[in-house]
Amino acid sequence: LAKTTQPISMDSYEGQEVNITCSHNNIATNDYITWYQQFPSQGPRFIIQGYKTKVTNEVASLFIPADRKSSTLSLPRVSLSDTAVYYCLVEGYSGYSTLTFGKGTMLLVSP
Amino acid sequence: NAGVTQTPKFQVLKTGQSMTLQCAQDMNHEYMSWYRQDPGMGLRLIHYSVGAGITDQGEVPNGYNVSRSTTEDFPLRLLSAAPSQTSVYFCASRETSGGANTQYFGPGTRLTVL
Repeated sequence: LAKTTQPISMDSYEGQEVNITCSHNNIATNDYITWYQQFPSQGPRFIIQGYKTKVTNEVASLFIPADRKSSTLSLPRVSLSDTAVYYCLVEGYSGYSTLTFGKGTMLLVSP
Repeated sequence: NAGVTQTPKFQVLKTGQSMTLQCAQDMNHEYMSWYRQDPGMGLRLIHYSVGAGITDQGEVPNGYNVSRSTTEDFPLRLLSAAPSQTSVYFCASRETSGGANTQYFGPGTRLTVL
């Protein structure tokens, strides 16, 4: 199984850019990297997914270096509502064999 | 389009009782899965299904059974509840079109076993 390692917690202030890095040393060739966001008492919600280089959508950017052994989720100008747990997940395209959630990163955004 | 729905939202059981957690999705996704989340922990995969009639075990399958008779439904059965099964249970379905692997999660079922 492709295990992931993330910081347990991060603190930020409103308006700042937040970068959360995840390491996944055993990522397989066909695996994608996906980030989810979870608020208390809710199920995780998809944020962004990538395979290599850089992916950007309306809420975040995902940076993946050439060796793909790590990835960085970038949240621009965070707000209080971005306070949540963020999970990095390595997902196999063809099945669940590499599907592993770590403990996630608790991001606390303060005024 | 309701997405992924789960019932009940809350449940209290006594040790040894059995029950079924219901999960349904209306997105015609082939892949569905069940996770449990314990306090301060990430999600752990219990069972998953890659299509009707096909199921497989995840990381923590003991004490749970699943079946997949239709694309829409994926119930999780607790055969004889134990306090160690006190947890929040999430069902998810997975989109795999065009290379995407996006999972959609339900709102969860909070289970307490006394």
